[in-house]
Amino acid sequence: AQTVTQSQPEMSVQEAETVTLSCTYDTSESDYYLFWYKQPPSRQMILVIRQEAYKQQNATENRFSVNFQKAAKSFSLKISDSQLGDAAMYFCAYIAGNMLTFGGGTRLMVKP
Amino acid sequence: DTGVSQDPRHKITKRGQNVTFRCDPISEHNRLYWYRQTLGQGPEFLTYFQNEAQLEKSRLLSDRFSAERPKGSFSTLEIQRTEQGDSAMYLCASSLAGQASYGYTFGSGTRLTVV
Repeated sequence: AQTVTQSQPEMSVQEAETVTLSCTYDTSESDYYLFWYKQPPSRQMILVIRQEAYKQQNATENRFSVNFQKAAKSFSLKISDSQLGDAAMYFCAYIAGNMLTFGGGTRLMVKP
Repeated sequence: DTGVSQDPRHKITKRGQNVTFRCDPISEHNRLYWYRQTLGQGPEFLTYFQNEAQLEKSRLLSDRFSAERPKGSFSTLEIQRTEQGDSAMYLCASSLAGQASYGYTFGSGTRLTVV
């Protein structure tokens, strides 16, 4: 079974600073996809960034980038120039077939 | 199309009552997923449909839970004889078959409180 682990229940960052959220996963598949989702309080989950496992290049979306280490099965999210609106739960997720599997989440707090 | 819609947003029910939730996916999406999310945890897969066929069910989906997608459009999730442990956020998501690797689109969820 595939598992996704987020070891940081909570993180905080000063506005305009950079923060990195960690994620590790376990799989025997060679072809899979990884995601970071953001869930603001009482709002719907939205996709932040996606990584294809067969691509060595790390994905980037504006202020969000990932550090994908396939051999280590590690997939961290870096948020640069943090903004107050980045405060949310962040979930790492994995898919190799039909089912998206989520980690337990990291609550990110942004201090003004 | 405004995305995935879920109704109601909140439901408070007494233990032992039956509840039903509705999900309207993005109209062109033929796959629909149900997840359960307890407070402070990540979403857990319950079941998914491709068109009207229910293709996979999690062991979390006890015999008190049933889901339908009769015409391949909206879906309902029913919980019979609710228990306090059923209190959670129930999330619905949709995607196109073959494009699940691009991620799902989620609704805002239905928060169930069993008292």
